[in-house]
Amino acid sequence: SQTIHQWPATLVQPVGSPLSLECTVEGTSNPNLYWYRQAAGRGLQLLFYSVGIGQISSEVPQNLSASRPQDRQFILSSKKLLLSDSGFYLCAWTRDRVSPLHFGNGTRLTVT
Amino acid sequence: DAKTTQPNSMESNEEEPVHLPCNHSTISGTDYIHWYRQLPSQGPEYVIHGLTSNVNNRMASLAIAEDRKSSTLILHRATLRDAAVYYCILFVGNQFYFGTGTSLTVIP
Repeated sequence: SQTIHQWPATLVQPVGSPLSLECTVEGTSNPNLYWYRQAAGRGLQLLFYSVGIGQISSEVPQNLSASRPQDRQFILSSKKLLLSDSGFYLCAWTRDRVSPLHFGNGTRLTVT
Repeated sequence: DAKTTQPNSMESNEEEPVHLPCNHSTISGTDYIHWYRQLPSQGPEYVIHGLTSNVNNRMASLAIAEDRKSSTLILHRATLRDAAVYYCILFVGNQFYFGTGTSLTVIP
């Protein structure tokens, strides 16, 4: 069966510090991968998606970036965090447009 | 740019059916309609999805209008564990577009 791992679960970082969140998927190959962010009390905002190694599409211009160094690994990064980067970050994967989207447990990031 | 619109909140009595509506007037012929629900501090959970025909699974039913511009998620007997935010989503291209969702309150 397929599983998705996302870590860390919680993170407190000062403004201006770097960020690296990692997501890995097991039990499938060539998944479509997604990073979403959810501000407190709000819906999910799509940040990045990837349909293959090295292929990244950005939905919202900001100080975040994403990379996919391996087929089942998706990394969200920032060189310098802003207060507005605080939120609940969710990684997700799907096999194709016909299949459901599966989410990780999320990372709650607080930028202080 | 939300591609779906849903009521912000709804209430239901426990053990009664719940009909959660969603409008997606800009849907194209190949866009799948997905429904997910989210509990506090958790990632969204898949509920059901479909393209044109009505769909049933152990969690819920999905009724899709003939013109596909709207759909309804049906929970046949609401339980307290069904209290969550329900999202109606379109899969367009390679992207899932989430709206703001409907917060469902289940009254004992």
